[in-house]
Amino acid sequence: ILNVEQSPQSLHVQEGDSTNFTCSFPSSNFYALHWYRWETAKSPEALFVMTLNGDEKKKGRISATLNTKEGYSYLYIKGSQPEDSATYLCAFIRAAGNKLTFGGGTRVLVKP
Amino acid sequence: GAGVSQSPSNKVTEKGKDVELRCDPISGHTALYWYRQRLGQGLEFLIYFQGNSAPDKSGLPSDRFSAERTGESVSTLTIQRTQQEDSAVYLCASSLSQAETQYFGPGTRLLVL
Repeated sequence: ILNVEQSPQSLHVQEGDSTNFTCSFPSSNFYALHWYRWETAKSPEALFVMTLNGDEKKKGRISATLNTKEGYSYLYIKGSQPEDSATYLCAFIRAAGNKLTFGGGTRVLVKP
Repeated sequence: GAGVSQSPSNKVTEKGKDVELRCDPISGHTALYWYRQRLGQGLEFLIYFQGNSAPDKSGLPSDRFSAERTGESVSTLTIQRTQQEDSAVYLCASSLSQAETQYFGPGTRLLVL
């Protein structure tokens, strides 16, 4: 069984504050890590695909880092806005030919 | 270009009936996944197709669930003898290959009465 863990499960953030949360995955045979944003009543949308140790990706106020040796990725939201409220999912693929395995998500609620 | 489409968008059925859900992936995408989200729950993997390889059915919850895919095109998810616990949003996603970004369809909302 492939365990992809996300913490915390939920997070309340005051508008304007910055926050971050974690995705942990097995460090052996790493192939790729994905981040998705899933807003209520919508379908998940891709944020980043990360493949190299030390990778840093940025999209607007959202960024992510990757450490494949220790098996974790952080997602950062700078200056949170109410529209950032969503569930953020990470997904891990161990090796070529294997399927993507999703974590349980971190639910972020940004309060005005 | 066209994204992933799913039909129907909503389906209400009676307990015990069979239902068929359809997914049209993005053209050229070799990988196709089915997931479901039950009320208050996260994303639950059901089945994965990759090209002409045998599908990964490890997420199907019971033998009432089956799925087919013709080549690299349309996929159908069939649920036989539906139960109330099958009520969920069923999501389909496709990607160029198994490691590439997944593009999700709008989902089919299934309600079993």
